[in-house]
Amino acid sequence: DAKTTQPNSMESNEEEPVHLPCNHSTISGTDYIHWYRQLPSQGPEYVIHGLTSNVNNRMASLAIAEDRKSSTLILHRATLRDAAVYYCILRDIGGSNYKLTFGKGTLLTVNP
Amino acid sequence: DAGVIQSPRHEVTEMGQEVTLRCKPISGHNSLFWYRQTMMRGLELLIYFNNNVPIDDSGMPEDRFSAKMPNASFSTLKIQPSEPRDSAVYFCASSRGGAFGNEQFFGPGTRLTVL
Repeated sequence: DAKTTQPNSMESNEEEPVHLPCNHSTISGTDYIHWYRQLPSQGPEYVIHGLTSNVNNRMASLAIAEDRKSSTLILHRATLRDAAVYYCILRDIGGSNYKLTFGKGTLLTVNP
Repeated sequence: DAGVIQSPRHEVTEMGQEVTLRCKPISGHNSLFWYRQTMMRGLELLIYFNNNVPIDDSGMPEDRFSAKMPNASFSTLKIQPSEPRDSAVYFCASSRGGAFGNEQFFGPGTRLTVL
């Protein structure tokens, strides 16, 4: 499986934007980029996914580099509830595409 | 929608005892996943069912672990006999179909402690 690299931790202030980076230099043409997050004492929850174009939803935005070797999850206005571990995951469109292979993720701390 | 339901939420047992974890997926979802999370190994996929059939059990650690899905609305993960190293949080997740792109919905997890 293609691997992703994320910072171990990041800190933000409440109501400020947060940019969470992810490197995936070995991404293949059939890999989608997925983001999940895990709030304390909860199961992971889906945030967003994309292939080549930038994506927006009610939770966040996903900016994908032109060469697709990196991406950035953007939380436009962080709240205390956004404090969580954020996982960047590559998911192949074919084969065992059901698999979510979780790395260590980025622990986001949001300061009031 | 109630989401994925797992029971029990917490389980404390002694080494050698049988443990059964239960999961009710979201209605209409036909893919079900069991994951295990520990500090050392993070989140790992144990087994994947599609339409009640086990498709990939390569993540099941050993023969002490077994999983069943007798119908579309219920699955169990059984550990017999349990060992202290099985202590972890076990998550069940479900999704619509095996098709690519469908997000997985996770339950709240069962925290298992084996003494």
